[in-house]
Amino acid sequence: AQRVTQPEKLLSVFKGAPVELKCNYSYSGSPELFWYVQYSRQRLQLLLRHISRESIKGFTADLNKGETSFHLKKPFAQEEDSAMYYCALRSGGYNKLIFGAGTRLAVHP
Amino acid sequence: KAGVTQTPRYLIKTRGQQVTLSCSPISGHRSVSWYQQTPGQGLQFLFEYFSETQRNKGNFPGRFSGRQFSNSRSEMNVSTLELGDSALYLCASSFVAGGYEQYFGPGTRLTVT
Repeated sequence: AQRVTQPEKLLSVFKGAPVELKCNYSYSGSPELFWYVQYSRQRLQLLLRHISRESIKGFTADLNKGETSFHLKKPFAQEEDSAMYYCALRSGGYNKLIFGAGTRLAVHP
Repeated sequence: KAGVTQTPRYLIKTRGQQVTLSCSPISGHRSVSWYQQTPGQGLQFLFEYFSETQRNKGNFPGRFSGRQFSNSRSEMNVSTLELGDSALYLCASSFVAGGYEQYFGPGTRLTVT
C-alpha cells in the first residue's frame, strides 16, 4: 500500500536550533516526493521536491531509498519557519498526491 | 498571474442536501485535482481532471463526483450530505501531470449540520 508517515504531530524548537522533520514512505516503484508547507492563514504551497535537489529557505531533503525516508532538514531554525509541514508522495503518472498527517513546527524565540 | 480560486469560501448545509463547489485554475493550467482535508483523516485525494476527463479517483463513495469544463474550470458535487462530509475542500491546479508543481487554492470550508 502507498503510504506516507510523519511520526511527529508537533516539533518544538528554539530559534537557531537544527530542525529535522521526519517522513517515511511506502511505495512500490520509483517515488516522487515533495514537502508542502502551510503558513498561518495561507494556502498550501510547495516547499521542495526531491527531483530538484535544491535548497529552499534553507531547507533541504534527501531521498533515502534504502530507508524509504525523505526527511526535511534545516540547520538553523527561524521563527518564520513556524508552520504546518506535509510530506507527500506522487502516485502514478498523474497528479494524485498522498499526504502524510503533517507536522506542526513551532520555533520559539 | 492570478492564483487558484475557489467559491464559495464557506458553506453550511443540512444533512441530506447536496452541494456544488467550484474551482478556477490558474490560467493555462489544464489539470485540476480535489482534496478533502479533515482533522481525523488529513488530506485525502478525491479526483483529478484533465481536459474534461477524470484521470484518477480516490477512495470516496459515489456521492462525490466532479466535472471539468472546456475552460478547465472544475466543479465537485456531493450529494446526500452526511455529517462526516464536513471538511475543507481544496482544489489544486497544474499545467499538466508529470513533474509540474501543483498550486493549491484557499479551500471551501463545508459544514454539514
